[in-house]
Amino acid sequence: GAVVSQHPSWVICKSGTSVKIECRSLDFQATTMFWYRQFPKQSLMLMATSNEGSKATYEQGVEKDKFLINHASLTLSTLTVTSAHPEDSSFYICSARDEITGRSEQYFGPGTRLTVT
Amino acid sequence: KQEVTQIPAALSVPEGENLVLNCSFTDSAIYNLQWFRQDPGKGLTSLLLIQSSQREQTSGRLNASLDKSSGRSTLYIAASQPGDSATYLCALCSGGGADGLTFGKGTHLIIQP
Repeated sequence: GAVVSQHPSWVICKSGTSVKIECRSLDFQATTMFWYRQFPKQSLMLMATSNEGSKATYEQGVEKDKFLINHASLTLSTLTVTSAHPEDSSFYICSARDEITGRSEQYFGPGTRLTVT
Repeated sequence: KQEVTQIPAALSVPEGENLVLNCSFTDSAIYNLQWFRQDPGKGLTSLLLIQSSQREQTSGRLNASLDKSSGRSTLYIAASQPGDSATYLCALCSGGGADGLTFGKGTHLIIQP
């Protein structure tokens, strides 16, 4: 149980284009999902908290107009990187919080590697 | 602001050894602490989760401890195997469990056959 999927697993795009990444909780509902970014040889950094039915909450230094987050259902959150630039190349990982057990354990997707050329 | 430090940054040991990975944090007001494993270019695998009220958790050859008062957690790996080679990440959740996780930079572990 508690499986989170991400699509696509990797994407290469040209500078200036937009890329959408999907995060799905497959066997549980999640009102809260999180988006993280990991640069090479660095740890994961929280970008934003995605809340079902409301606006996302962004961490300091993360541009909300550049990283659009939509959490339209209890099993799906999307991250759209708008007008991507090479410095946006990174490994993007989402997580979904399991709220049923009360442990607030986060389950992570397999990640999406974005390369902007 | 919570800061998480993991020591050592890298570790290489022969197969069969028992080893300890360390994690320290600056703010003891945590909700829970998780240890993850990350293989190169891959996502995260959750290993153990310790609630703030707990002192330790065990799963197979892994044992994680938590001492909130000193701001420390350890991950003990018994009888290490080459398949244990990976980066191990410590992450904390605060804010009553509603916040995202704050991660350490990880310990890159190599088990020599």
